[in-house]
Amino acid sequence: GAVVSQHPSRVICKSGTSVKIECRSLDFQATTMFWYRQFPKKSLMLMATSNEGSKATYEQGVEKDKFLINHASLTLSTLTVTSAHPEDSSFYICSARDGGSTRLSSQYFGPGTRLLVL
Amino acid sequence: SQQGEEDPQALSIQEGENATMNCSYKTSINNLQWYRQNSGRGLVHLILIRSNEREKHSGRLRVTLDTSKKSSSLLITASRAADTASYFCATGGTSYGKLTFGQGTILTVHP
Repeated sequence: GAVVSQHPSRVICKSGTSVKIECRSLDFQATTMFWYRQFPKKSLMLMATSNEGSKATYEQGVEKDKFLINHASLTLSTLTVTSAHPEDSSFYICSARDGGSTRLSSQYFGPGTRLLVL
Repeated sequence: SQQGEEDPQALSIQEGENATMNCSYKTSINNLQWYRQNSGRGLVHLILIRSNEREKHSGRLRVTLDTSKKSSSLLITASRAADTASYFCATGGTSYGKLTFGQGTILTVHP
């Protein structure tokens, strides 16, 4: 089956530093990837839609200069949290859409990255 | 913005019982999907129901959709302790692939 990986699975960083999270589709080409943020016991909030080779589309209220998204290839998207602060601590989940499938359910989620900013 | 609202927010049952979770939404949809999330993990797709379907089954799962009431339900029959997880509904709209998630139901199945 389709597999999406995220790296790292967990990261602790100091306030003010930048953190990069990778999202990879391992066995399919992902023309579109989505980045979500999830607070404890809360739902997933879509942050941005990332299309290969073009600029990401950010949801309202999400700072694009704060959360840099790059989708340089059909199998990799990265989310960089710049100048991280404690309030950026959260669970970040990516999903990837299988560009070779027309099935509506062909969106696969990564295992998530737990970010803790001290 | 989140448009799916699930109830109950938390559900605690004994193994073998059925679990029913409901989801309501506000705008027109193309399809509605249910996902499962184990604590601290990613999401697993359970089932998708299209807007022109009323009911769908997959193993112990049964999903209904009432577009007139803008609501859906997920029924898990003969629950098992391993079903303990959070369950989310997600609606797909005109933006192909973009999902809007509900608040989720935390299901606990006691052995």
